[in-house]
Amino acid sequence: GAVVSQHPSWVICKSGTSVKIECRSLDFQATTMFWYRQFPKQSLMLMATSNEGSKATYEQGVEKDKFLINHASLTLSTLTVTSAHPEDSSFYICSATSGNLYNEQFFGPGTRLTVL
Amino acid sequence: GIQVEQSPPDLILQEGANSTLRCNFSDSVNNLQWFHQNPWGQLINLFYIPSGTKQNGRLSATTVATERYSLLYISSSQTTDSGVYFCAVLIKAAGNKLTFGGGTRVLVKP
Repeated sequence: GAVVSQHPSWVICKSGTSVKIECRSLDFQATTMFWYRQFPKQSLMLMATSNEGSKATYEQGVEKDKFLINHASLTLSTLTVTSAHPEDSSFYICSATSGNLYNEQFFGPGTRLTVL
Repeated sequence: GIQVEQSPPDLILQEGANSTLRCNFSDSVNNLQWFHQNPWGQLINLFYIPSGTKQNGRLSATTVATERYSLLYISSSQTTDSGVYFCAVLIKAAGNKLTFGGGTRVLVKP
């Protein structure tokens, strides 16, 4: 149990285009989903926290107009990178948890974004 | 802010060896998790262990919450144990979000 999927697993796009990444909890209802970013050989950095049906909470320094997050249901959250530029190239990982925020988080397999 | 420090940063092991990875944190935790990130980037949950001791096969973990550290033990290491091991903590007073340590990069040689 506790499986989280992401789609796509990798994407290459041209500078200026927008890219949408989906995160789904397959076998549980995710009251809270999280989006992280990881640069090569570095640790994970939290970008934002989203709860179903409400606006996402962004970490300091993360542009909410650049990284649009929608958590439309208890099993789906999406991250849209708008007007992507080469510096947005990174590994994006989502996680999900059910119940209270202290519960175990389960992570998706990640999406590798390359912006040309 | 929260400090999560992992040691050692890098570890090279001969297959069959045992090892201990350490995670120090700066405040009382409500959640602590250990992960293994495989070469494809997938984070695999190893332990959810805000306190106490747990074992799963060749892996075990101990968190001493009062002294603010956690240990991950790998016994009889195998080449498939290679990858990066992360600990992450959640501290209620710091906003209910997981903060990751810098990771320990493990290479197990055959």
